[in-house]
Amino acid sequence: KNEVEQSPQNLTAQEGEFITINCSYSVGISALHWLQQHPGGGIVSLFMLSSGKKKHGRLIATINIQEKHSSLHITASHPRDSAVYICAVGGSQGNLIFGKGTKLSVKP
Amino acid sequence: ETGVTQSPTHLIKTRGQQVTLRCSSQSGHNTVSWYQQALGQGPQFIFQYYREEENGRGNFPPRFSGLQFPNYSSELNVNALELDDSALYLCASSFNTGNGYTFGSGTRLTVV
Repeated sequence: KNEVEQSPQNLTAQEGEFITINCSYSVGISALHWLQQHPGGGIVSLFMLSSGKKKHGRLIATINIQEKHSSLHITASHPRDSAVYICAVGGSQGNLIFGKGTKLSVKP
Repeated sequence: ETGVTQSPTHLIKTRGQQVTLRCSSQSGHNTVSWYQQALGQGPQFIFQYYREEENGRGNFPPRFSGLQFPNYSSELNVNALELDDSALYLCASSFNTGNGYTFGSGTRLTVV
């Protein structure tokens, strides 16, 4: 079993829909990261959180430490949100342990 | 402030050759981590450098080696390239560990 599991693996939505991506982890963490990767490969950090909830624009990230679960929500989705969304947790060596990512496609 | 710059962006090498990938860290960052991302997979941790010393390593063989320079830029060297080394190599910098990361756009290595 992977230490970081994401669901779904692929997600297709219509523009304007509310989107949820889930992440479960099995290791103790100091922080959880949500990242966005575009087809060219570059990764952008969206959120780093260790408790509660954070919001940035149309993006919301929540974490439940007791349940070892986090969700990334996108409100009023737009085709430009199409990307791979990756959940990662802090490892014991100061590294990040990544999930496999969720490929999101938002259709106009 | 400048972000993380990786070079080259694309590279094709022959099996058995050696390759050096480069990463310039973001201004003010002293820690650089390298990751390998195979197609359709999440990035896998190769190693991390903090103040010119390797201070963490993933499950990669010794033919993967690195350096960090006094200006905190870094190199990833891979010897005796294998076909399975074909991947996107990502560099991420941070100030110390456990803080936010800034990623480069990656180097796509193809081994033929």
